[in-house]
Amino acid sequence: EMLLVQSGGGLVQPGGSLRLSCAASKFTFSEYAMNWVRQAPGKGLEWVSSISGGGDSPYYADSVKGRFTISRDNSKNTLYLQMDSLRVEDTAVYYCARGVPPAGEFDYWGPGTLVAVSS
Amino acid sequence: DIVMTQSPDSQAVSLGERATINCKSSQSVLYSSNNRNYLAWYQQKPGQPPKLLIYWAFTRKSGVPDRFSGSGSGTDFTLTISSLQAEDVAVYYCQQSYSTPPTFGQGTKVEIK
Repeated sequence: EMLLVQSGGGLVQPGGSLRLSCAASKFTFSEYAMNWVRQAPGKGLEWVSSISGGGDSPYYADSVKGRFTISRDNSKNTLYLQMDSLRVEDTAVYYCARGVPPAGEFDYWGPGTLVAVSS
Repeated sequence: DIVMTQSPDSQAVSLGERATINCKSSQSVLYSSNNRNYLAWYQQKPGQPPKLLIYWAFTRKSGVPDRFSGSGSGTDFTLTISSLQAEDVAVYYCQQSYSTPPTFGQGTKVEIK
């Protein structure tokens, strides 16, 4: 069965940085767009960023544009999210999720990793 | 951005009874080139990631029980649980992937009455 293993969350002060990772297995990673979706405590789901299978088409939510950078290493079957200039409102569980062509719904999700931004 | 609005926010249903969740998009999510609605439904249980139930508005993902069904087109969609089971207690989200950014409804909490 397809697997997404996440790492890299934690507690960080406002203005700090973190890098999240999502390691994929049991599917051809490079054939799928990948996404980051977050969920603030007690709140709903918010899409954060996506990247095409080849890594050449990143997209970002306005709330993170200019601060977060999505990337992928297809040789390592791994997705990344570099988060800089973190704000208190970025506190959330971050999920990686696979996007299914052509519509792009998210068919498999990682277990999530908590990012807490607090002084 | 396309705004997704679900109703109701929460619903208490007796075991074995029907649960119905509505989702309305601020603009059509029907892709004319393939006549498919880019609308998905997810189930999220506490402490777990969301799980895809339905895509293209009415196609069940493999392994999803057939008591879950989706309907609708254009801007108005419905998720129906035909006979609520205890394991269906969860928050349900609709999501459009017609345009970037993909957007979710606010969620509907389904509980046992």
